[in-house]
Amino acid sequence: AQTVTQSQPEMSVQEAETVTLSCTYDTSESDYYLFWYKQPPSRQMILVIRQEAYKQQNATENRFSVNFQKAAKSFSLKISDSQLGDAAMYFCAYRSTDFRDDKIIFGKGTRLHILP
Amino acid sequence: DARVTQTPRDKVTEMGQEVTMRCQPILGHNTVFWYRQTMMQGLELLAYFRNRAPLDDSGMPKDRFSAEMPDATLATLKIQPSEPRDSAVYFCASGFGPSRGNTGELFFGEGSRLTVL
Repeated sequence: AQTVTQSQPEMSVQEAETVTLSCTYDTSESDYYLFWYKQPPSRQMILVIRQEAYKQQNATENRFSVNFQKAAKSFSLKISDSQLGDAAMYFCAYRSTDFRDDKIIFGKGTRLHILP
Repeated sequence: DARVTQTPRDKVTEMGQEVTMRCQPILGHNTVFWYRQTMMQGLELLAYFRNRAPLDDSGMPKDRFSAEMPDATLATLKIQPSEPRDSAVYFCASGFGPSRGNTGELFFGEGSRLTVL
C-alpha cells in the first residue's frame, strides 16, 4: 500500500523568506499524481500545486515550486517570498492512476507559521 | 464558479442521534470521496464512488456509517447512531477518474464539522 510521510509537523519562516516543506512517499507504481494542498484556518482544502509522475519537469505556480525526485520518492514544496497569508496546514498527497484504486492518500501535514 | 457544496457546515448533536451529511459534487465529475479529518488521525478516507457505484468503503465503520449516491448530484453520509468519537470534520471531494491528460486533482467542499455530545 502507498504511504505519504511528512516529517516536519511544524515549521516557521520569516515573512519574505523562503521555506521548504518535505514529503516522501512509498509506492511500487510508475505513474501517479502528487499534490500539495493548503488548509488555512477556514478549513477549506485548497490545491497549491500538482505534479504528474511521468513529467520530469518540476511544477511551478507563482511563488510555489516543487522538487520532484522520482527515484528518491521525494516531493518537497518550496515557498518563496513567504507571505502572512501562507500560514496554514500543508498536506502532501498521492493519487494512483490505477482506475480501480485511485483514492488520494494524505500525509499528516505540516503546520507553517509565518513570522512578521 | 463550480464548487463542491456540503451541508451542514456545523452540526452539534447528542449521542445516539442520526446524522446525515450531504454533498453536491461539481457537475460532470464522476468520482466522489468522503474523508474524515481529526487531529489524531489526520485525513482518512471513508468511502468513494465512481459513476455513483461504491469503489471502496473499507475505511468506514460498517455498523453505524453508510454512504450512498442516490443520483449524480447528491452524495450522502449517514451515521446512526452517532457517538462522541465520531466528532470530526467530514469532507466531500469530487473529481475525474485518472487518465492521461487529466490533472487528477480533487476539489473539496468546505467540510461539515460534527460534534457529538
